[in-house]
Amino acid sequence: AQSVTQPDIHITVSEGASLELRCNYSYGATPYLFWYVQSPGQGLQLLLKYFSGDTLVQGIKGFEAEFKRSQSSFNLRKPSVHWSDAAEYFCAVGASQGGKLIFGQGTELSVKP
Amino acid sequence: NAGVTQTPKFRILKIGQSMTLQCAQDMNHNYMYWYRQDPGMGLKLIYYSVGAGITDKGEVPNGYNVSRSTTEDFPLRLELAAPSQTSVYFCASRPGSPTEAFFGQGTRLTVV
Repeated sequence: AQSVTQPDIHITVSEGASLELRCNYSYGATPYLFWYVQSPGQGLQLLLKYFSGDTLVQGIKGFEAEFKRSQSSFNLRKPSVHWSDAAEYFCAVGASQGGKLIFGQGTELSVKP
Repeated sequence: NAGVTQTPKFRILKIGQSMTLQCAQDMNHNYMYWYRQDPGMGLKLIYYSVGAGITDKGEVPNGYNVSRSTTEDFPLRLELAAPSQTSVYFCASRPGSPTEAFFGQGTRLTVV
């Protein structure tokens, strides 16, 4: 069975500082991995995705993530955070066999001026 | 482009009442999903479907039912509403695997 863990419930960073949000997954085959962002009261927007190939993927809004199979991780990074990045971030794993798509608990990001 | 449309946006139910949350997509996607979102719990998968006539349980299916008679529609049925079903419900769809999911704007349900 697939599962996703986001160890950090809430993170606060200063504007302009770098950011890394952690995501660990469990899945027996090659996973399809996603990061989504949700602003307050809004739906979910895709930031980036990994299906295969280059393990460093670029997304929208200056975000990137690196797939590390040996660590079962897919951490999200941004070199310089902007106040508008304050939101909740969700990591998800999709099954390569069948249609199941499982999300993590989410990490809430706050940005200090 | 309508995308994924959920109705209603808000609803208050009394304990024991039943209701159907509607979800429709106009992108001809095969896969559709229902999630519930509770504070600090992330999104939990309730049911999903990989095509018309095919549905499967997710992580938290108890108290819910679904059907998928057409590619476009994937309604979620609550038969006997309980306070524990107070939540925000999201419907999503995607063409297949591997592709990303597109989400509706959510339905905020309160059971009192």
